[in-house]
Amino acid sequence: GAVVSQHPSWVICKSGTSVKIECRSLDFQATTMFWYRQFPKQSLMLMATSNEGSKATYEQGVEKDKFLINHASLTLSTLTVTSAHPEDSSFYICSARDFGQGLNGELFFGEGSRLTVL
Amino acid sequence: AQKVTQAQTEISVVEKEDVTLDCVYETRDTTYYLFWYKQPPSGELVFLIRRNSFDEQNEISGRYSWNFQKSTSSFNFTITASQVVDSAVYFCALSSTYNQGGKLIFGQGTELSVKP
Repeated sequence: GAVVSQHPSWVICKSGTSVKIECRSLDFQATTMFWYRQFPKQSLMLMATSNEGSKATYEQGVEKDKFLINHASLTLSTLTVTSAHPEDSSFYICSARDFGQGLNGELFFGEGSRLTVL
Repeated sequence: AQKVTQAQTEISVVEKEDVTLDCVYETRDTTYYLFWYKQPPSGELVFLIRRNSFDEQNEISGRYSWNFQKSTSSFNFTITASQVVDSAVYFCALSSTYNQGGKLIFGQGTELSVKP
């Protein structure tokens, strides 16, 4: 079946540095990808909708300057956590919809990326 | 506004017991999708089912079954003869394709612990 791959699976960084997480659709094209954040023992909260070739749409309360999203191709979206701080430590998960299936297309989730900021 | 409520935060059962995970949703849209995902300790989301708002038929897949009732806005999930491997966090989610672009709104999750 369709696969969405995230990289890195886990990353540890120092406070103040920036971290980039990639989300790739491996065997389908995805005009839309979604980025979620999950704190321990909590639900998945949608951060933003990433649209290929245009600006991302951020959910209320999510700082667009801190969480930079780039969706430069139909198979790749990146999330950059800028000037990371310990409170940004979380599990970040992306999902992608198969463009070929239209708005009713299946959503596929990546394996997630666990960020720890020291 | 859209909302998904999973009132059961944690459930603990003994192996071979049946267990039902509740899910109640809110939406003003007439066309929407409901999902269930399993999240084991490793973190990845495992897709279990997607059901559209026009299909109220109950679904059975092995030990899993789902009861969709639009009249009560519920989409409950039952595991029959539970096993230790069923231990995980289970999320119910809602998507309204036409109004929200297909993004998922997740419930709070129910942590299921199946003891041997």
